[in-house]
Amino acid sequence: EAGVAQSPRYKIIEKRQSVAFWCNPISGHATLYWYQQILGQGPKLLIQFQNNGVVDDSQLPKDRFSAERLKGVDSTLKIQPAKLEDSAVYLCASSSGLARGNIQYFGAGTRLSVL
Amino acid sequence: AQTVTQSQPEMSVQEAETVTLSCTYDTSESDYYLFWYKQPPSRQMILVIRQEAYKQQNATENRFSVNFQKAAKSFSLKISDSQLGDAAMYFCAYSWGSNYKLTFGKGTLLTVNP
Repeated sequence: EAGVAQSPRYKIIEKRQSVAFWCNPISGHATLYWYQQILGQGPKLLIQFQNNGVVDDSQLPKDRFSAERLKGVDSTLKIQPAKLEDSAVYLCASSSGLARGNIQYFGAGTRLSVL
Repeated sequence: AQTVTQSQPEMSVQEAETVTLSCTYDTSESDYYLFWYKQPPSRQMILVIRQEAYKQQNATENRFSVNFQKAAKSFSLKISDSQLGDAAMYFCAYSWGSNYKLTFGKGTLLTVNP
């Protein structure tokens, strides 16, 4: 079974530029998550989708971050314009659905450096 | 607020020995899940073990086991017969709320010495 795929692995941009990350979850997984992991910290949930609907985006900085999951499969996270403090690893995860104890499976992440 | 605290930023262990990583959490809920995830340098988070709060029996997965103390809100991970491949960041996480999102601790960096 293929895991969660993310691209690119690395991205370097200058502040005020825009950037996009892509995620393809495990086949059949209805729930998709985007996390931000700043160096030295645990992942922080940015947005959670159930199929193509948003379940939780309470910690997404909506003035600069956006995400979509068209057709309820793959997803794109965008930052525009980027700030220095956006430098982090962006992790995508998926699970089979919304149920207590469901395991989240993670991709390898995209490391973003904003200069 | 749901918080997860890992008080050990770094730990080290000799190969083949046992090490215990600590985790405490704060919650007002009675039904929840707890997880330990491993993050090697490749960055991909891998589930190590999970525990349902209603189950009194501690979860085990091969060399990995937990000591779950619900009243004390403590959830420690024990790694027996440590191997070089166990070296990684270990994150404790708590699943809560109607959408079962995860809140992570800051992690413990485990070094395994040959």
